[in-house]
Amino acid sequence: GIQVEQSPPDLILQEGANSTLRCNFSDSVNNLQWFHQNPWGQLINLFYIPSGTKQNGRLSATTVATERYSLLYISSSQTTDSGVYFCAFSGAGSYQLTFGKGTKLSVIP
Amino acid sequence: NAGVTQTPKFQVLKTGQSMTLQCAQDMNHNSMYWYRQDPGMGLRLIYYSASEGTTDKGEVPNGYNVSRLNKREFSLRLESAAPSQTSVYFCASSAQVGTAAKNIQYFGAGTRLSVL
Repeated sequence: GIQVEQSPPDLILQEGANSTLRCNFSDSVNNLQWFHQNPWGQLINLFYIPSGTKQNGRLSATTVATERYSLLYISSSQTTDSGVYFCAFSGAGSYQLTFGKGTKLSVIP
Repeated sequence: NAGVTQTPKFQVLKTGQSMTLQCAQDMNHNSMYWYRQDPGMGLRLIYYSASEGTTDKGEVPNGYNVSRLNKREFSLRLESAAPSQTSVYFCASSAQVGTAAKNIQYFGAGTRLSVL
């Protein structure tokens, strides 16, 4: 079946540091989304990125569909970036988003 | 900008009790979804509704029923709650299922359910 693997599972950063989160997926991509789940549990859409590169402020994402991976970059991290980052993927012709297990990010002052 | 609204936010049930989780969206989306999130896990799809009048099973449908009441509302019912259904439940919606960019899913704030 469809598999989505995220790495690393846990990440601790000093405020101001940069980081790269990775998502590997097992099939041709129809939909790929990155979410941030904040400490209150709310899921926030970051990017819809089945291919290419997008940037939004200090965050950017790149998906290389032919190699079946996506990267989320966080620059100049802030304590408010803490939480869990999820990658969710659906394969060609599919409706169902399959979530990875997430990367738990802790940004310390 | 309400987006996807879920009620209640918290609920405690005893084993065997029933309840309905409500979800409504105001984005005129065709497709709606119910997920559950267990500790340390990503979300798993319970049921979805591609359009008004249709529902289909997802990855973990056992123990649940759904109703697509109208285009805006999609409810999830637990007929006889079990401790294994203790979880956080999320509702989501998208403009249209299965069509690339229109499948961008937007999530509600979640319902924390404990079954004792």
